[in-house]
Amino acid sequence: SQTIHQWPATLVQPVGSPLSLECTVEGTSNPNLYWYRQAAGRGLQLLFYSVGIGQISSEVPQNLSASRPQDRQFILSSKKLLLSDSGFYLCAYLWGRGNEQFFGPGTRLTVL
Amino acid sequence: KQEVTQIPAALSVPEGENLVLNCSFTDSAIYNLQWFRQDPGKGLTSLLLIQSSQREQTSGRLNASLDKSSGRSTLYIAASQPGDSATYLCAVNKGGSEKLVFGKGTKLTVNP
Repeated sequence: SQTIHQWPATLVQPVGSPLSLECTVEGTSNPNLYWYRQAAGRGLQLLFYSVGIGQISSEVPQNLSASRPQDRQFILSSKKLLLSDSGFYLCAYLWGRGNEQFFGPGTRLTVL
Repeated sequence: KQEVTQIPAALSVPEGENLVLNCSFTDSAIYNLQWFRQDPGKGLTSLLLIQSSQREQTSGRLNASLDKSSGRSTLYIAASQPGDSATYLCAVNKGGSEKLVFGKGTKLTVNP
């Protein structure tokens, strides 16, 4: 069976500081991976997705970047955080012929 | 551009009641539709996946239907329980791209 992990679970960072959020998936190989952000009152927004190592597609222009250094690892980064980067960040993977997406437990990021 | 709307935004019912949550989408060219549950501060749990060629899916007390031509889906919860209290999210897959577009959710409260 597959499992998906995210860390840290919560993070409080000052404006202008760097960011690194990690997502790993177990029990599957070469999954499609996704980063979503959930902001209050705005719903879930897709930020990045990856179909393989080193392959990143960005959905919206922003202060964030993503990388996939290994098959089952997906990293979300920023060089300098903005207040508007606060939110709940969710990683997901695609599995099965029905293209069902499964989500991790999320990281709550607060930028002060 | 695909837009997903969920009505109502919030719903409060007494325990034991049967209820229906609604989801509508503007572009009927979807690959599949997923219903998720989100507890406060947690990630998303996939409840049901309906392929575009299907009309409904059932899991326990949950039944989801899909009318692709009219751009609508419903999630039926039978004999609701306090443990069903959560936010329910509907999302559609944009056909081939495997990227989910989410509604803003319906917050359900089941009162004992």
